[in-house]
Amino acid sequence: DSGVTQTPKHLITATGQRVTLRCSPRSGDLSVYWYQQSLDQGLQFLIQYYNGEERAKGNILERFSAQQFPDLHSELNLSSLELGDSALYFCASSPGPWYEQYFGPGTRLTVT
Amino acid sequence: GIQVEQSPPDLILQEGANSTLRCNFSDSVNNLQWFHQNPWGQLINLFYIPSGTKQNGRLSATTVATERYSLLYISSSQTTDSGVYFCAVVNNNDMRFGAGTRLTVKP
Repeated sequence: DSGVTQTPKHLITATGQRVTLRCSPRSGDLSVYWYQQSLDQGLQFLIQYYNGEERAKGNILERFSAQQFPDLHSELNLSSLELGDSALYFCASSPGPWYEQYFGPGTRLTVT
Repeated sequence: GIQVEQSPPDLILQEGANSTLRCNFSDSVNNLQWFHQNPWGQLINLFYIPSGTKQNGRLSATTVATERYSLLYISSSQTTDSGVYFCAVVNNNDMRFGAGTRLTVKP
């Protein structure tokens, strides 16, 4: 157990809908990261937050957004969902930006 | 952006054998991590190793940053070592993963 929690574990929704994925970092970690793993694109970095502020952006679509709250948990919002958004979404945390990261169990999103 | 290449893409071993997995990267990196993704999809942190050598039980890793590669050694492999091994590098405030090495250890 990495200490990073993610909810829900599975999510099935329809095209055009909006979903929110939630992540709680390990105790004491200030940085939170979001990643997408799909069969065709592999593992991709989406976005990083540090102590509530956005620190780095990767291949995150404009339809996707994230935030980190004062209690350090983070949410990833995916809107106008398309079939191609079906993937495993991971959250990770670390004490600071780009320190050693620990991954949560992931949320499997299926868009039908 | 930085390119990350892992080799071999697939590896099949008999239990007890040793193996070496390689990760090449095309530019300087701020840090490098090795992960194991088990058959249930969980990503497990193996090493945080921007340079030098580290060991943890049957696993060890070496990163030669000046030559832009890292190696992961697995000795006396066990069936529980099966899964996909990823290296990930940080460069220019971005993290990139290799495509992974799929390891199958047969009893």
